[in-house]
Amino acid sequence: SAVISQKPSRDICQRGTSLTIQCQVDSQVTMMFWYRQQPGQSLTLIATANQGSEATYESGFVIDKFPISRPNLTFSTLTVSNMSPEDSSIYLCSVDSSGAVKETQYFGPGTRLLVL
Amino acid sequence: EDQVTQSPEALRLQEGESSSLNCSYTVSGLRGLFWYRQDPGKGPEFLFTLYSAGEEKEKERLKATLTKKESFLHITAPKPEDSATYLCAVLPRNTDKLIFGTGTRLQVFP
Repeated sequence: SAVISQKPSRDICQRGTSLTIQCQVDSQVTMMFWYRQQPGQSLTLIATANQGSEATYESGFVIDKFPISRPNLTFSTLTVSNMSPEDSSIYLCSVDSSGAVKETQYFGPGTRLLVL
Repeated sequence: EDQVTQSPEALRLQEGESSSLNCSYTVSGLRGLFWYRQDPGKGPEFLFTLYSAGEEKEKERLKATLTKKESFLHITAPKPEDSATYLCAVLPRNTDKLIFGTGTRLQVFP
């Protein structure tokens, strides 16, 4: 299994500012996923990040709002830009299990963001 | 359209009272169905992956089963520490993106 860490674990931010969330994995992975989980809701995929290529964003999410970096096979960042209270959520990093068959996705502990 | 529906939304059980959670899905070719447990304020924790109808997997008091249209997570003699939200997700054919249900919030009282 993969061990994933995220920084920060939580933050309180003012509207109009930006926050960068870091995701570190203990092994090399091809695909990394960023999710948002709003209060009381399930997980919504923001984007998929492959090393060496631009992130692929899901409908409703744009690069200007959620820029993603993927500099190597163990690390990624997600920035939440120009924040508003509606961005208050838990942001989760996730990676595929290793191997040819996708057996599961592992999730990090999440970053709890509150925007005032 | 690929879709996952979980029921009930919330379930309250007495300790030792067995029950089942349901995950119904509509998907264009199922590559896998995943169950996760999520504690408040934490990321989802992987429980099981099921690949084909008829498959079953067990872990302690939990057993997951799969048919062509739904999956059940059976909880036998639950304990208060089993209290959590249980999430179901499917992986359709020709994609690497999971589709999640909205979860069942389970509370087990002593």
